[in-house]
Amino acid sequence: AQSVTQPDIHITVSEGASLELRCNYSYGATPYLFWYVQSPGQGLQLLLKYFSGDTLVQGIKGFEAEFKRSQSSFNLRKPSVHWSDAAEYFCAASAGGGADGLTFGKGTHLIIQP
Amino acid sequence: KAGVTQTPRYLIKTRGQQVTLSCSPISGHRSVSWYQQTPGQGLQFLFEYFSETQRNKGNFPGRFSGRQFSNSRSEMNVSTLELGDSALYLCASSPLFGLAGSQETQYFGPGTRLLVL
Repeated sequence: AQSVTQPDIHITVSEGASLELRCNYSYGATPYLFWYVQSPGQGLQLLLKYFSGDTLVQGIKGFEAEFKRSQSSFNLRKPSVHWSDAAEYFCAASAGGGADGLTFGKGTHLIIQP
Repeated sequence: KAGVTQTPRYLIKTRGQQVTLSCSPISGHRSVSWYQQTPGQGLQFLFEYFSETQRNKGNFPGRFSGRQFSNSRSEMNVSTLELGDSALYLCASSPLFGLAGSQETQYFGPGTRLLVL
């Protein structure tokens, strides 16, 4: 079955420190990959996406993600976090083809320490 | 461009009632998907509509249904509400003019929070 795994339920990072959120997927073929962020009581905001090509993708708010086929991973990174980055982060995948829904990981709750 | 809008934002119902939620996609987007978010199960795909046709459905009982209108607006309905239906219901739209790749990016609305008592 298709699945997306985010191994870390909670991550605490000091403001100004670097961040890496992990995401692994299990799909028959390389899926389309996405990272979304959700602030409390809000919907999901798209941070970045990967369809093909360059394995390092840039997103909004200074985030980037690297696709590694050999590790079935799509980790999200940011060189220096801000207090406003505190939120829930979701990795998602889609097999593509038009009608397929997104499969989400369980999410990683990011806490920023002052 | 205006984003995805969902109405109502909050709803309280009692067990056994039915509820209808509405979603207006981004202008020009023809695909609308619905998701349920709960603390226990996380985000789960309900169904997807394109050109008024349901093309895919997640693993939910028949009490959950939806439809899409000719202007791409969509509604989902839940009949005979159960306590476990309390959740945030998210709608997402994507361009999806039959092309793969970037046209499949889904953009989410703020959600409708449903509480079943």
